[in-house]
Amino acid sequence: GAVVSQHPSWVICKSGTSVKIECRSLDFQATTMFWYRQFPKQSLMLMATSNEGSKATYEQGVEKDKFLINHASLTLSTLTVTSAHPEDSSFYICSAPGRGDEQYFGPGTRLTVT
Amino acid sequence: AQSVTQLGSHVSVSEGALVLLRCNYSSSVPPYLFWYVQYPNQGLQLLLKYTSAATLVKGINGFEAEFKKSETSFHLTKPSAHMSDAAEYFCAVTLPNTGGFKTIFGAGTRLFVKA
Repeated sequence: GAVVSQHPSWVICKSGTSVKIECRSLDFQATTMFWYRQFPKQSLMLMATSNEGSKATYEQGVEKDKFLINHASLTLSTLTVTSAHPEDSSFYICSAPGRGDEQYFGPGTRLTVT
Repeated sequence: AQSVTQLGSHVSVSEGALVLLRCNYSSSVPPYLFWYVQYPNQGLQLLLKYTSAATLVKGINGFEAEFKKSETSFHLTKPSAHMSDAAEYFCAVTLPNTGGFKTIFGAGTRLFVKA
């Protein structure tokens, strides 16, 4: 089946720095990718929809200047957490749609901000 | 508004016992419904999906779910639990969105399997 990868799988950064997370579709093209955030023992919350060649669509309450999304190619979307703070620590998961509206999920990236 | 409700944040069963994870949805349009499984520190894996074909859907690892429109339910079952089934399970519904669709997830149910 389709494979989505994320890099890095785990990152620790200092407060105030920026972190970039990559999401790649390995064997298919994805004009759209989704970015989710998951706090411990909670569900996935959609942050934004990444669109290749155009601006991302952010969900209500998500700061677009803090969570920068770039979908530069049909196989790569990046999420940059700018000026990270401890409250940004979370599990970030990306996905790309497949057939029948199902989604293929990346393995997730755990961000810890100290 | 569309929503997904999973009854029970934790379910514990004995190995070999029936697994029943409950999901109710609210949707103003015919829904596409999904069950995903998540193992610790991993992404989500699709178990099964309902897309308006057969109401009884069979998925991977022996799981199945039945779509009941009258009850707005899509409960997940497995006749006999294995230790390897211990994980977090999410029910989800997709709905049309600008330029495509988006997925709404339930809060999740953690399944514990006792030896």
